Amino acid sequence: GENVEQHPSTLSVQEGDSAVIKCTYSDSASNYFPWYKQELGKRPQLIIDIRSNVGEKKDQRIAVTLNKTAKHFSLHITETQPEDSAVYFCAASAAGGYQKVTFGTGTKLQVIP
Amino acid sequence: NAGVTQTPKFQVLKTGQSMTLQCAQDMNHNSMYWYRQDPGMGLRLIYYSASEGTTDKGEVPNGYNVSRLNKREFSLRLESAAPSQTSVYFCASSEVDGRKEQFFGPGTRLTVL
Repeated sequence: GENVEQHPSTLSVQEGDSAVIKCTYSDSASNYFPWYKQELGKRPQLIIDIRSNVGEKKDQRIAVTLNKTAKHFSLHITETQPEDSAVYFCAASAAGGYQKVTFGTGTKLQVIP
Repeated sequence: NAGVTQTPKFQVLKTGQSMTLQCAQDMNHNSMYWYRQDPGMGLRLIYYSASEGTTDKGEVPNGYNVSRLNKREFSLRLESAAPSQTSVYFCASSEVDGRKEQFFGPGTRLTVL
């Protein structure tokens, strides 16, 4: 089955700096890569996703890049703000039959004011 | 439109006790999922239901059973709780399968003594 590795497990940045979270996946048939944000004590919520026919996608201060050859994808947050502090999960969904999602182990981002 | 709801929010059990976690969604989604979240381990799939009337094992099904009661409701049962099942449990739903956004419930924090 699919295996998703996520790094780093914790990340501290100064407010206004950029943050990058990286994930690798094992199944070359994976074609959908969502990112979820989980604030403390809350439920995970989708913040951005990318499909395998696209190399990059942006939504205001967040962007995701995908390198299918290397089987890795990354989340970029620019001009970080204290409200960006949360745990971020990457995930991958493999094509073929019923597509389940495999999540990474999460990155705890702390934005220091 | 409540989205995905779960009951209870908190539960404490003694080893060997049984309980059922309830989940319901009002978005007319076909697929529903049960995950457990443990520190440093991300979200791990316990069971999923691709559509009404079907259920399948996920990554960590041992010690659990599920019932897809109808299109709206998907319950998770612990027959004989063990301390290793202490975790936060999230129910989720999606329109189709892993190719679409998953919507999560608020979670159930379960402690087994």
